[in-house]
Amino acid sequence: DQQVKQNSPSLSVQEGRISILNCDYTNSMFDYFLWYKKYPAEGPTFLISISSIKDKNEDGRFTVFLNKSAKHLSLHIVPSQPGDSAVYFCAGRPDFGNEKLTFGTGTRLTIIP
Amino acid sequence: GAGVSQSPRYKVAKRGQDVALRCDPISGHVSLFWYQQALGQGPEFLTYFQNEAQLDKSGLPSDRFFAERPEGSVSTLKIQRTQQEDSAVYLCASSLVRQGEAFFGQGTRLTVV
Repeated sequence: DQQVKQNSPSLSVQEGRISILNCDYTNSMFDYFLWYKKYPAEGPTFLISISSIKDKNEDGRFTVFLNKSAKHLSLHIVPSQPGDSAVYFCAGRPDFGNEKLTFGTGTRLTIIP
Repeated sequence: GAGVSQSPRYKVAKRGQDVALRCDPISGHVSLFWYQQALGQGPEFLTYFQNEAQLDKSGLPSDRFFAERPEGSVSTLKIQRTQQEDSAVYLCASSLVRQGEAFFGQGTRLTVV
């Protein structure tokens, strides 16, 4: 039962263009969503988050959009830079109660110089 | 350093051997999590502590897995009688406050041969 789905295992984007990573979820109890970035041989690094009371959160080049009715969120990176090449994980959790994160399977983003 | 520290980074165990994986969370962080990441998958929740109390161990795959955090700081994940299917990266994460963003360590890659 995959509660968080990232249907694109990989994505290649030209440097300077916009990268859009997508994530779908099925658990209606999720109220808070996070994106993590992971380089090889390192642990995931927190990137950006969004609460279900919002539909957009922006931090520099990174913006996360949430469509609660469609149970869909996306991460936009603009402009994309070579250092953005990594695996990106989407994760969800309830806003209260259990703090455990449920992760998707990840999308490998490659930025082409 | 100031981050989450895990040791050892790599562990090779013979099938049937017991292993112990250590996690030093960021000082003062209340919540501590263990996740298991198989190759090509996202991290999967194992167990969660708030201070020394283990509040959720629903993700532990069998009774061969045991975790403790006796003084509310360092945590140890113990796997008894390791099996090949236990081969994975074991990630530890901590967060400062309840519902804060979780910071991950680099992980311990366990290979059971």
